[in-house]
Amino acid sequence: AQSVSQHNHHVILSEAASLELGCNYSYGGTVNLFWYVQYPGQHLQLLLKYFSGDPLVKGIKGFEAEFIKSKFSFNLRKPSVQWSDTAEYFCAVISGYSSASKIIFGSGTRLSIRP
Amino acid sequence: DAGVTQSPTHLIKTRGQQVTLRCSPKSGHDTVSWYQQALGQGPQFIFQYYEEEERQRGNFPDRFSGHQFPNYSSELNVNALLLGDSALYLCASSLGAGTAKNIQYFGAGTRLSVL
Repeated sequence: AQSVSQHNHHVILSEAASLELGCNYSYGGTVNLFWYVQYPGQHLQLLLKYFSGDPLVKGIKGFEAEFIKSKFSFNLRKPSVQWSDTAEYFCAVISGYSSASKIIFGSGTRLSIRP
Repeated sequence: DAGVTQSPTHLIKTRGQQVTLRCSPKSGHDTVSWYQQALGQGPQFIFQYYEEEERQRGNFPDRFSGHQFPNYSSELNVNALLLGDSALYLCASSLGAGTAKNIQYFGAGTRLSVL
């Protein structure tokens, strides 16, 4: 069965620190990859997505992610975090074409930023 | 332009009862997907509706059923509620089913508590 693993459940950083959140998926075929963010009290929002092409994708608010097919990974990065980045981050995958629009989410990583 | 709206915001039910949750998709969208997000977990796909039919279904029992109306709005019904059904129920809308490149937009969710 397809699955998405986020190894860090809770990450605590100071402002201006660099961020990398890990994400691995289990599916050998074509995948479409997403990072969603859920700020406290708000709904899930799309941070960035990868469909094809350049494996380094840039999203909103200075976030980027790199798709490494050989490692089945899609890690999220940000060079310098801000207090406003405090949120829950979810990696997600849609596999292939036949199971269109069925998003498989990871369990999430809670990011806390110390001011 | 209204985003995805869900009602009610919060709901408290007792075991064995039935509940109906409602979702209005983002303007211009015709596909609605429902997800269950338990505390500390990522959203899990329940099912998706397109053209008033259930197109895909996740690993949820038949107690979970849904409906889509001609105006694309949708309902999620859960019968014979169990304590384990307590969760945040998310609705997501997108344009068209059948392609993995659909971007899904999420509502704020309905928090269901089963006592």
